[in-house]
Amino acid sequence: DIKMTQSPSSLSASLGERVTISCRASENINNYLSWYQKKEDGSVKLLIYHTSRLQPGAPSRFSGSGSGKDYSLTISGLESEDIATYYCQQGYTPWTFGGGTKLELK
Amino acid sequence: EVKLVESGGGLVQPGRSLKLSCAASGFSFNDYWMGWVRQAPGKGLEWIGEINQDSSTINYTPSLKDKFTISRDNAQNTLYLQMSKLGSEDTAIYYCARAQRRVCYFDYWGQGVMVTVSS
Repeated sequence: DIKMTQSPSSLSASLGERVTISCRASENINNYLSWYQKKEDGSVKLLIYHTSRLQPGAPSRFSGSGSGKDYSLTISGLESEDIATYYCQQGYTPWTFGGGTKLELK
Repeated sequence: EVKLVESGGGLVQPGRSLKLSCAASGFSFNDYWMGWVRQAPGKGLEWIGEINQDSSTINYTPSLKDKFTISRDNAQNTLYLQMSKLGSEDTAIYYCARAQRRVCYFDYWGQGVMVTVSS
């Protein structure tokens, strides 16, 4: 199985701040990398797929980049509604997720 | 509007079985791969497995292959997860999700259903 290592595991940031979360795969995943947002109410939403493609309906302040083994999610200006836990996921069977990054307000 | 609604969760004794359902609406169910994901308390998301449109291909995460069975009824627009020999480690929120298999991601998720394994 491909292991996904996400960092940091938690992050405290101020409103308006630029935030970056990283995800490293144990092998090349050829851009099959997605990012999800999980809120405290349990809801899960797709933000980014195939490394950098913004899911329709996701705010444009979210962006993704990367290649090979290394990927990142950036929030260009943190808003209060972005407080959540973020997960990366690779697309080779069995799909696997990163351990999550809990984003909190400073 | 795409909607996925899980049901069938609850409290179950160790060693017993439980079957979860996921009712889909708002899209053509039989055109999509579907999958299950779970999250144990304090843990991250874990991919359980997936099923293709006509049930001819079903993939599982290796550690759950002998305990869990994924199936679907396209006439009823419903996805199922049959869980057997349940243990405390299976206590989790279980999500069903619609898969975009060509680029390998889940684009819609249900709200999740809680399963608690305890005597």
